[in-house]
Amino acid sequence: DAKTTQPTSMDCAEGRAANLPCNHSTISGNEYVYWYRQIHSQGPQYIIHGLKNNETNEMASLIITEDRKSSTLILPHATLRDTAVYYCIVRPHNNDMRFGAGTRLTVKP
Amino acid sequence: GAVVSQHPSWVICKSGTSVKIECRSLDFQATTMFWYRQFPKQSLMLMATSNEGSKATYEQGVEKDKFLINHASLTLSTLTVTSAHPEDSSFYICSARGLIGYNEQFFGPGTRLTVL
Repeated sequence: DAKTTQPTSMDCAEGRAANLPCNHSTISGNEYVYWYRQIHSQGPQYIIHGLKNNETNEMASLIITEDRKSSTLILPHATLRDTAVYYCIVRPHNNDMRFGAGTRLTVKP
Repeated sequence: GAVVSQHPSWVICKSGTSVKIECRSLDFQATTMFWYRQFPKQSLMLMATSNEGSKATYEQGVEKDKFLINHASLTLSTLTVTSAHPEDSSFYICSARGLIGYNEQFFGPGTRLTVL
């Protein structure tokens, strides 16, 4: 699976959009970009995934660059409950999920 | 979305005893289940993968005789930590993938194991 690079931590003001970047410059054509998050002492929660088109659901939007070497997860209106570690994972569709260090997002009032 | 449950949510045991953790997919059939371990302030580490009715495939460095995995049905997998020691204290998380949605993995809430 392709390696991903994420910032260690980020802060965001409550009510503002949180933009979490992820670099995956070695991504292959058959690899999807997945985002999960883990709130303290809970299991990871699926957020969104995409292959090459931008995706949006009720939780977030995923913007993938045209060359697919990086992506951004957007939480449009961050709340305090969005404070969590966010993981960007790149893998072919049927492979298992392997987690990197992720980005610790802190939403501040 | 699909729901994965784990039982118990936390367990404390004495060194040398065995502990069983259950993982269930509540509203879908899980063709594949995964077990992860997470130490404090670290990321999740995949321990093993199991397909229903088959033997589990363990990651390098994970002792298969210590961490027994059974995936006997499409909705249940168990992880037994045999002869537990304090260094096995960790947060154990299961995950399930089935023939629903876009084949994403759904995660359980985790089981915190403390070995005294």
